[in-house]
Amino acid sequence: EIVLTQSPGTLSLSPGERATLSCRASQSVSSSYLAWYQQKPGQAPRLLIYGASSRATGIPDRFSGSGSGTDFTLTISRLEPEDFAVYYCQQYGSSPAITFGQGTRLEIK
Amino acid sequence: EVQLVESGGGLVQPGRSLRLSCAASGFTFDDYAMHWVRQAPGKGLEWVSGISWNSGSIGYADSVKGRFTISRDNAKNSLYLQMNSLRAEDTALYYCAKDRGWELRGAFDIWGQGTMVTVSS
Repeated sequence: EIVLTQSPGTLSLSPGERATLSCRASQSVSSSYLAWYQQKPGQAPRLLIYGASSRATGIPDRFSGSGSGTDFTLTISRLEPEDFAVYYCQQYGSSPAITFGQGTRLEIK
Repeated sequence: EVQLVESGGGLVQPGRSLRLSCAASGFTFDDYAMHWVRQAPGKGLEWVSGISWNSGSIGYADSVKGRFTISRDNAKNSLYLQMNSLRAEDTALYYCAKDRGWELRGAFDIWGQGTMVTVSS
């Protein structure tokens, strides 16, 4: 099973700042089958990024994903108030064993 | 409107069974793989199980293997999760999620609102 480790656990930033979230895999994620999700309190997760760097439908271009192999990054270029939430990475390359990271909480400073 | 609606959750005693359902609408259900994902109170996301478009490929998390069974009825646009031998650690909000592809190789682009399962005596 591929273990995903996200860092930091909590990130405190102000609106307008740039956010960089990390996701490290215990072994290489094949074909960049890596996704990022956003979850707000009381809501289901929302897909942001798939294939490591492709934005899902309707996702603003301030969200971008990068990386390959074992190291992946989600960047939010300029934080908006609605971006403060929990973010999860997920690998779906080692089918059928799909795994999520433990999450990064992005909070308002 | 693309929608997934879960049902079947509730309070159940340890060792008992429960069957969850997920009704899909607004897309061609039998073109896509489907998944169950759970979230224990205050915790992160855990993938539980997935099934390909034609039920030819099925996977389970180790934590539920041998106890849970996923299935789908494409004629009814429905996904199911039969949960047997339930344990306290199965207590969670269970989400139904749509895969972007037909095999278990896509990210999850549509999610339901979840159904709560509480295992307690």
